[in-house]
Amino acid sequence: GESVGLHLPTLSVQEGDNSIINCAYSNSASDYFIWYKQESGKGPQFIIDIRSNMDKRQGQRVTVLLNKTVKHLSLQIAATQPGDSAVYFCAENMGPGQAGTALIFGKGTTLSVSS
Amino acid sequence: DVKVTQSSRYLVKRTGEKVFLECVQDMDHENMFWYRQDPGLGLRLIYFSYDVKMKEKGDIPEGYSVSREKKERFSLILESASTNQTSMYLCASSTGGRDRGYTFGSGTRLTVV
Repeated sequence: GESVGLHLPTLSVQEGDNSIINCAYSNSASDYFIWYKQESGKGPQFIIDIRSNMDKRQGQRVTVLLNKTVKHLSLQIAATQPGDSAVYFCAENMGPGQAGTALIFGKGTTLSVSS
Repeated sequence: DVKVTQSSRYLVKRTGEKVFLECVQDMDHENMFWYRQDPGLGLRLIYFSYDVKMKEKGDIPEGYSVSREKKERFSLILESASTNQTSMYLCASSTGGRDRGYTFGSGTRLTVV
């Protein structure tokens, strides 16, 4: 698999490799984080979320890791497939109170999977 | 499935026109949001609403207003469209609370000429 530094805009991998997409978040008070996938011509779709009382959460072929010390979030995709090609966004909630219902999004990483 | 429906996929408007972008959700969600999406800038929050008739400014509210007269509908209004408002506009909704993901609509690509 290929590991990337903090927010590279693009990531290219071979089918079957593991992909790691990184994200740095901005708000120490954020306590909820989400990864979204956006395919061309579509709105973003929820992939996986994690709350700040957790370090790791696994879904189907995806794992999210949270490091609150350095305000870092990563998405790992196992056995990447061509259908995983998309733009991936991390998001954090905005802050306390009602404002926290809104999410702040990262700039996104475009994942390209070649066969 | 939760559905968030944006009334238009593509719109072309002239500079100075008043533009209405409509968004409707069918799952009784309390929260609704408008974002714009631009290459290299990601998604930026314009306005959101956590209840009927309630609205909060996001990061880039200038040049926009919103209306939420009914729970299921959240409208974004460009009072006088300008070319720098050419963008993809995304509407989203979520249930109440801070730890809730969004459901997004498919987006409206607005071109102002």
